[in-house]
Amino acid sequence: DQQVKQNSPSLSVQEGRISILNCDYTNSMFDYFLWYKKYPAEGPTFLISISSIKDKNEDGRFTVFLNKSAKHLSLHIVPSQPGDSAVYFCAGYFGNEKLTFGTGTRLTIIP
Amino acid sequence: ETGVTQTPRHLVMGMTNKKSLKCEQHLGHNAMYWYKQSAKKPLELMFVYNFKEQTENNSVPSRFSPECPNSSHLFLHLHTLQPEDSALYLCASSQDWGGGLAGTGELFFGEGSRLTVL
Repeated sequence: DQQVKQNSPSLSVQEGRISILNCDYTNSMFDYFLWYKKYPAEGPTFLISISSIKDKNEDGRFTVFLNKSAKHLSLHIVPSQPGDSAVYFCAGYFGNEKLTFGTGTRLTIIP
Repeated sequence: ETGVTQTPRHLVMGMTNKKSLKCEQHLGHNAMYWYKQSAKKPLELMFVYNFKEQTENNSVPSRFSPECPNSSHLFLHLHTLQPEDSALYLCASSQDWGGGLAGTGELFFGEGSRLTVL
């Protein structure tokens, strides 16, 4: 049972526009949700997180929205830049349990 | 020098070989992890060490054998692997078990070791 789902394997967005990456989850126990970014031949790097008691967290061009009733979160990147082209992983976490990752979405920013 | 370093970056081995992956973290963290990344699959947690003690073995086959001699070093010993074990193996660390500060889940990953089993 996949507790964290990223249903879009890929997404292409024009430079300067908004990129919206989506993630759905099934486990209501998650305390935190995290987004990681991964370039080819590199390990994932932490990007932004949100506590389950909040519905929005913003850090520069990156904003994560959490809709607990829908068990859905999204990452907004605005404006999108070529350096944002990467694979983005959504992950959920609670208590002393392990991080549960989604399968990732490959974002391509078109110049 | 990056926070978490992994060697080798690439490894090709036959099914009868024995090899090891090495991970070193320079962040002063207490917990270290091995993850496996296969194509089109979520990152899979394999092992967790907290203060050098193994706290989780996520039903990993015995052909993968972890070793954590101290809080800064983590090894993954490989023997008699199968072609389906070919994947990117990622090491990660965190301040404490549970990730980040006060258990927020944040991990710091190495660049990974790309393993190909022939």
